[in-house]
Amino acid sequence: DTGVSQDPRHKITKRGQNVTFRCDPISEHNRLYWYRQTLGQGPEFLTYFQNEAQLEKSRLLSDRFSAERPKGSFSTLEIQRTEQGDSAMYLCASRSGTSLGTGELFFGEGSRLTVL
Amino acid sequence: GENVEQHPSTLSVQEGDSAVIKCTYSDSASNYFPWYKQELGKGPQLIIDIRSNVGEKKDQRIAVTLNKTAKHFSLHITETQPEDSAVYFCAASGGFGFNAGKSTFGDGTTLTVKP
Repeated sequence: DTGVSQDPRHKITKRGQNVTFRCDPISEHNRLYWYRQTLGQGPEFLTYFQNEAQLEKSRLLSDRFSAERPKGSFSTLEIQRTEQGDSAMYLCASRSGTSLGTGELFFGEGSRLTVL
Repeated sequence: GENVEQHPSTLSVQEGDSAVIKCTYSDSASNYFPWYKQELGKGPQLIIDIRSNVGEKKDQRIAVTLNKTAKHFSLHITETQPEDSAVYFCAASGGFGFNAGKSTFGDGTTLTVKP
């Protein structure tokens, strides 16, 4: 399977705990995006990487959130001291930097976080 | 920043009927407008997109129209089938370079096609 994969698919944690999500993009894609989706709403942009460089972060990404893409391949999204408001689906998407003229995002199936 | 509004939030049609979903955007700099379909438990998947230099695009039963002046765009699905049942999202983005992937999404339309 050469699609975007995310792990874990589901995570239940207690308030105050740290959680980490992993995303493996399509191998030839150098651009990687994290989005957050809450029930009944569309995905909201969180952050973006081109290769290993994090080029933009949304103001939605508080200082409890950190994302990395150390070697320009997989990425991790860590949430520290989780709060109930962090409960959401965290979507990773990738696209090729050479696909000029199109912004098609290839999404993974998401990591659903439930904070109790 | 960009703001995208999508209507209706739910849409129920009989199999074989047409379905239309409408979106408006606020940022005149947006020039790329994708539509995504999301099935239960899965991530969104692109079904069609349109750039601002094109007024209409069609792919089999699916078409998208864009009115730049009015800042609205619409998704049209003809001859609907039960497998079209899903949540549909419109989005808008700057369309070039890294901004192309930084999309602002609408809140989605849940389409139900009754057999």
